[in-house]
Amino acid sequence: EADIYQTPRYLVIGTGKKITLECSQTMGHDKMYWYQQDPGMELHLIHYSYGVNSTEKGDLSSESTVSRIRTEHFPLTLESARPSHTSQYLCASSSRVPASGTQYFGPGTRLLVL
Amino acid sequence: AQRVTQPEKLLSVFKGAPVELKCNYSYSGSPELFWYVQYSRQRLQLLLRHISRESIKGFTADLNKGETSFHLKKPFAQEEDSAMYYCALSGGYSSASKIIFGSGTRLSIRP
Repeated sequence: EADIYQTPRYLVIGTGKKITLECSQTMGHDKMYWYQQDPGMELHLIHYSYGVNSTEKGDLSSESTVSRIRTEHFPLTLESARPSHTSQYLCASSSRVPASGTQYFGPGTRLLVL
Repeated sequence: AQRVTQPEKLLSVFKGAPVELKCNYSYSGSPELFWYVQYSRQRLQLLLRHISRESIKGFTADLNKGETSFHLKKPFAQEEDSAMYYCALSGGYSSASKIIFGSGTRLSIRP
């Protein structure tokens, strides 16, 4: 079934640890996005990609990095987690053709950095 | 500058009352407008888009280019409409367009 997956769903980790949040989609979409969202609050775009080997920073400055080696996979990495990184991270994807603004969202990863 | 404004952080109405969630935008070209909804413990999902001109779950939204608004309306609110609603804008039909989200409005339907 076509879907977008995020793992882990919840993560509690200590300051200074390196973490990778996984995002995979079987939608066949070219475009993928990472948003940061405090629960019930505004979404902030932190990274996006229009295809393999294409990554761009979003509107909100973030210390995280992303990679896009495979079309279906768009992991986000924090080299050294800090309490200020505590938030919910949403991954999304959308089709390039036909050009569409409709985005499909994953279930999110809730990150707590102690 | 591209911007989406949702002036109400919280809107509380009684069941059966009409609902209007406000959205205003700023964009220099011809944008595509959307409403996304996030129910409790569920994913953020598309509710409707202006080019479809459809009614979803009784909700409609009309793009008013003169007032640069895209308000979401429903004539009779139901309890299951309680959720977080986000208005969003995309820069039209360019494949390089990103989506810009508003800050969201929490809709609470009182029984």
